[in-house]
Amino acid sequence: GQQLNQSPQSMFIQEGEDVSMNCTSSSIFNTWLWYKQDPGEGPVLLIALYKAGELTSNGRLTAQFGITRKDSFLNISASIPSDVGIYFCAGQGTGTASKLTFGTGTRLQVTL
Amino acid sequence: KAGVTQTPRYLIKTRGQQVTLSCSPISGHRSVSWYQQTPGQGLQFLFEYFSETQRNKGNFPGRFSGRQFSNSRSEMNVSTLELGDSALYLCASSPGPMNTGELFFGEGSRLTVL
Repeated sequence: GQQLNQSPQSMFIQEGEDVSMNCTSSSIFNTWLWYKQDPGEGPVLLIALYKAGELTSNGRLTAQFGITRKDSFLNISASIPSDVGIYFCAGQGTGTASKLTFGTGTRLQVTL
Repeated sequence: KAGVTQTPRYLIKTRGQQVTLSCSPISGHRSVSWYQQTPGQGLQFLFEYFSETQRNKGNFPGRFSGRQFSNSRSEMNVSTLELGDSALYLCASSPGPMNTGELFFGEGSRLTVL
């Protein structure tokens, strides 16, 4: 099945550091979303982006919808231990293609 | 407000058997979608239901089927199980048709096929 290219695959960072991850696609999407999945849980929506160029924040999280509509990035500032988990980007098309295509995930691990 | 509830949480089946998984969406949500999550393929869209009608279907064989009831609860069925069907099956709900992409996921049903 189709997946979005997400990088990095995994990262170890120290508490307090900033984190960046991005997602690219060969297809255009009308909506970009970022989800986080903790062990044993389902993904939880962090941020949704609906316009090309849009920059949206949710606390320490900031995400942008790329101007080409083929990419998005997520930044986490001043990481804390509870940021550990897997972060997924997801893209959504329009009309009948209104299903989510998920990225391959970025596993974030924080060292104290 | 109760979240999305999936049952069973864990189950083990053998090849050739069939399985039915259940999903109760958040109260008031009428759209339910299903995803398969595996280490190799990641999260893959299975299907979406709204008002008891299948609106979208992913690229899975006909062994995978689903339905939605009038109370918005949904079930998915996998027949003639194969080893490769071992996965975490996630159900997600949203208030209306899945057009915003803002989904509320359950904790999933982890299926192991032996």
